[in-house]
Amino acid sequence: NAGVTQTPKFRILKIGQSMTLQCTQDMNHNYMYWYRQDPGMGLKLIYYSVGAGITDKGEVPNGYNVSRSTTEDFPLRLELAAPSQTSVYFCASSPGGRSYEQYFGPGTRLTVT
Amino acid sequence: ILNVEQSPQSLHVQEGDSTNFTCSFPSSNFYALHWYRWETAKSPEALFVMTLNGDEKKKGRISATLNTKEGYSYLYIKGSQPEDSATYLCADYNAGNNRKLIWGLGTSLAVNP
Repeated sequence: NAGVTQTPKFRILKIGQSMTLQCTQDMNHNYMYWYRQDPGMGLKLIYYSVGAGITDKGEVPNGYNVSRSTTEDFPLRLELAAPSQTSVYFCASSPGGRSYEQYFGPGTRLTVT
Repeated sequence: ILNVEQSPQSLHVQEGDSTNFTCSFPSSNFYALHWYRWETAKSPEALFVMTLNGDEKKKGRISATLNTKEGYSYLYIKGSQPEDSATYLCADYNAGNNRKLIWGLGTSLAVNP
């Protein structure tokens, strides 16, 4: 199993541009998550999904959108990129809720200038 | 959002020392407490998921305990090695947070050879 894969690994965006961060998992996990990690701020949940067709907002959803058309894929869309979205983005998946560990992808480092 | 606090923020120990960190979380509506290990330039990896008061879990030289009534968990590392250097994160899965993990800021451990 490849686990959780994310593309791209690095990206530089200009202010106002848009992009999609891709996340795919091959473990047939129902739950998927998008986090951002800023220095000194810990992991903040952007959006999550408990199954195909179901998504919900996390702590910091503004400026982002997600979709979950399949179990495997959970892309994160940035519209009108802003410098405040400069961060490292991690996708994670889990077989279920509270008692199940989350499996993380390798991360995407995004810089908006 | 119900807060999770970790202490100390950082720790430097010598190879062979034993050490421990603390994670504090809201004791009401407890569901589960997660511990993750996060090495620099990698992504977080799960160490333990603990759900029962009094639970103790062990993986090699690393162990954890859980007190849900008072809202804390300890992570112990026995005989620290340089490869234990990482940030150790805890995360609380609480009924008040609707199927989301709330993450602490982590304890950064550096083990000097």
